[in-house]
Amino acid sequence: AQTVTQSQPEMSVQEAETVTLSCTYDTSESDYYLFWYKQPPSRQMILVIRQEAYKQQNATENRFSVNFQKAAKSFSLKISDSQLGDAAMYFCAYRSPVTGTASKLTFGTGTRLQVTL
Amino acid sequence: DSGVTQTPKHLITATGQRVTLRCSPRSGDLSVYWYQQSLDQGLQFLIQYYNGEERAKGNILERFSAQQFPDLHSELNLSSLELGDSALYFCASSATVSGSPLHFGNGTRLTVT
Repeated sequence: AQTVTQSQPEMSVQEAETVTLSCTYDTSESDYYLFWYKQPPSRQMILVIRQEAYKQQNATENRFSVNFQKAAKSFSLKISDSQLGDAAMYFCAYRSPVTGTASKLTFGTGTRLQVTL
Repeated sequence: DSGVTQTPKHLITATGQRVTLRCSPRSGDLSVYWYQQSLDQGLQFLIQYYNGEERAKGNILERFSAQQFPDLHSELNLSSLELGDSALYFCASSATVSGSPLHFGNGTRLTVT
């Protein structure tokens, strides 16, 4: 079974600065997908970014980018120019390729990000 | 707006009771997933349905059951409720295309008193 580990329960960053959230995972699969989701105080689950394991290029979405290291099974999220609205819980998640059976998301335990003035 | 609709938003009930949570997936999505999030915890996978059939089970209690109907909406039934069942219950849906993200509803907050 796949596992996802987020070793930083809490992080803090000053507004306009850059912060990196860590995520490692364990899998025996060679093809898979990785995601970062954001959960603000409203408790909505919002997709931030998606990475395909077979693509070496790191995904980028505006101020959000990832550092995907397949051999190390590491998938960190970098937030540049942090804004107050980035304050949230961030979850790393793993998904196997869709097959005829099932492909749920397996989540890490989350990192709570505080953004200070 | 994710396109996934969950009702009700809030539910307060007593121990021993039974409740039903409802989810309508995004248009065109055949897969529905249910997750439980207890206070300040991560998301625990409960169960998945694909086009009306159960496809995967997580740590779902025997007191909990779910189904997906022909119109693809899904219901999660929680019975003999205990205080520890108080949580945020999320429904999510996804397209069948490999690697598609899950799109989450806003959740149903269940409080058992």
